[in-house]
Formats: sequence, C-alpha cells, structure tokens
Amino acid sequence: QLQLQESGPGLVKPSETLSLTCTVSGGSISSSDYYWGWVRQPPGKGLEWIGSFYYSGSTYYKVSLKSRVTISADTSKNQVSLKLSSVTAADTAVYYCARHGGPSGYLPYYDMDVWGKGTTVTVSS
Amino acid sequence: QSVLTQPPSVSGAPGQRVTISCTGSSSNIGAGHDVHWYQQLPGIAPKVLIYGNRNRPSGVPDRVSGSKSDTSGTLAISGLQAEDEADYYCQSYDSSLSGWVFGGGTKLTVL
Repeated sequence: QLQLQESGPGLVKPSETLSLTCTVSGGSISSSDYYWGWVRQPPGKGLEWIGSFYYSGSTYYKVSLKSRVTISADTSKNQVSLKLSSVTAADTAVYYCARHGGPSGYLPYYDMDVWGKGTTVTVSS
Repeated sequence: QSVLTQPPSVSGAPGQRVTISCTGSSSNIGAGHDVHWYQQLPGIAPKVLIYGNRNRPSGVPDRVSGSKSDTSGTLAISGLQAEDEADYYCQSYDSSLSGWVFGGGTKLTVL
C-alpha cells in the first residue's frame, strides 16, 4: 500500500528557507505514471498547489511561487523534497505531499489520489 | 483568488440533497480537463470523493455524484448525513498555467 510521509522542521524563521521531505513507501517515484506534488493549506484557508516533480526530472511550479520554490527528488531514497526560500508568516501552513496524474503521464486522470498526513510549518522568529 | 470558484458554504437538513458548484474557465475545465472533488474532515488530509468528473473511488457511497458541463463541475450529495459535514474542494488542471488548480473550498453544514 502506497504511503507518503512528510518530514521537516516545524518552525522556520522569517527570511530563511523552508525545507521538507516526502518519503514514499510502497511505490516508486520513478514511475512514469505519476507526478509527486506539494500542496499547502494555511490555517483556516483552502488548498494551494505549490509544485510537482515528474520522474523525468521535470518540475512544475505555481507561477506566483516560482521564484522561491525548488522541488527535487532522490530516487535512491525514494524521496521528493521541497525548498521554499525567503519565507514570511504567509507561508505558515500545513504542507502535504500527494501523488497525482498529469499530462506527461499515462494515466487518464490528473487527480491527487494519495496524500500524506501533512506536516505543520510555522514561520516565526 | 482561486482559479476555480466555489460557494463558500452550503447547508442542508439530514436526508436532503445539496449541490456544490465549481466554475472555471476556457483554460481549465472548459479546455476539457476533468474536475475532481475532495472531502476534507477537520485536521485530516483531503481524500478523493469524485475523480474524472463523475467516477467514485471504492468506498464512496453512490449518494455522492459528480457532473461536468462547459466550464463548470458540480458535486451532488443526496440523503445528507451528519458525517457529510466537511469542507469540499474541486480541482482541475490549467493548460495556460501548466499547473494543478483548486477551488477555494466549500463548507457543508448539515443542519
């Protein structure tokens, strides 16, 4: 059974870089079918897609976050990582990783069918 | 401002039917990209309720249904139960943005 587990510091100082890791078990991030994405949810607010990684090495980012986001993968560890630089209080959120389909994959649907439990990140001095 | 527009809240009495709309544009739903729906209970990660406009994953009851027309999608829940009280989000893919987009979410209250 596929499982995703987010990990990383729960507290980050303003202007610093937020770094999170999503460890995938029960499946491979090298599958050509799937993308591995990051979604966040500020307290009391809705879901926001941040960006995604595809096994070919391609990355996709939300336009408004593109200048601050880097998503990468370590296939040997079956992990996908998120780095968000120059954080502010507005980046305080629960961060989820999720598996999903996309235009370069071979699946007919682009839904996010498996999610991690999420990790809370607070930006504060 | 979300790319997909949902009503902030809907409500209904137990046993009633409610619908939640998701309005997009010609670069996402109107471009032929599917609408997917998620249910999120407090403090828990979202789970897929409807994928590909109208398909239910195993375990989702058939009183939950989805549809799509032009630039909009609709989630319908009939025979409302207390356990349906949750936040619901629609999601699609946007060709112009080359990214995945969500609606702002709708809070369903069972009266």
